[in-house]
Amino acid sequence: QSVLTQPPSASGTPGQRVTISCSGTNSNIGTNYVYWYQQLPGAAPKLLIFGNNRRPSGVPDRFSGSKSGTSASLAISGLRSEDEADYYCAAWDDSVSGRAVFGGGTQLTVL
Amino acid sequence: EVQLVESGGDLVQPGGSLTISCSASGFTFILHAMYWVRQPPGKGLEYVSAISGNGDDTYYADSVKGRVTISRDNSQNMLYLQMSSLRPEDTAVYYCVRDQNTYGYWGHDAFDIWGQGTMVTVSS
Repeated sequence: QSVLTQPPSASGTPGQRVTISCSGTNSNIGTNYVYWYQQLPGAAPKLLIFGNNRRPSGVPDRFSGSKSGTSASLAISGLRSEDEADYYCAAWDDSVSGRAVFGGGTQLTVL
Repeated sequence: EVQLVESGGDLVQPGGSLTISCSASGFTFILHAMYWVRQPPGKGLEYVSAISGNGDDTYYADSVKGRVTISRDNSQNMLYLQMSSLRPEDTAVYYCVRDQNTYGYWGHDAFDIWGQGTMVTVSS
């Protein structure tokens, strides 16, 4: 059982906009930044969004993040076949120093 | 090029021990907190352990506390995870991960660099 809650799956057609939600509590998302990681099939995770809504260099601006209260969302616009991957949200948790928490992951399928 | 390369993953019997390693290059290792994150086959990511840049502070998830020890050798740019009393549920790909900031401590930033992972299988 993951601390952060994500839908197990999402899907969309090429060109469409899809969103993936991530729900937490006051001790994690409510008071800390949210991060999103993309894991392509057979690969290691890669940082996609940091600081709630900032993109590392090289990440297309089709990817955007937002946060409100104890929930966050990842939006992917102009969906492409290469976006098919698992997406994980994460945050630091103030309940214990040094504790980070992940969502269970959302498998995105491009139809 | 910033890079993390894990090694040492193996097939181990339940109750056995194993140490996995991570070689870091392309950045000033001591400036970054480092982590181990694992992923059981077909499952999601699990945060396992953390160590501050100078190695003075560590964190362990409840699932591994008392059975694993994280350490680092800043002179060799190496990160380690010593595991003992291994259980089948410890079977996973173990990723070596870097903290994004250069304060040498955790809690504020993302996991910005990931290694390719090393597979640990616990089975008889």
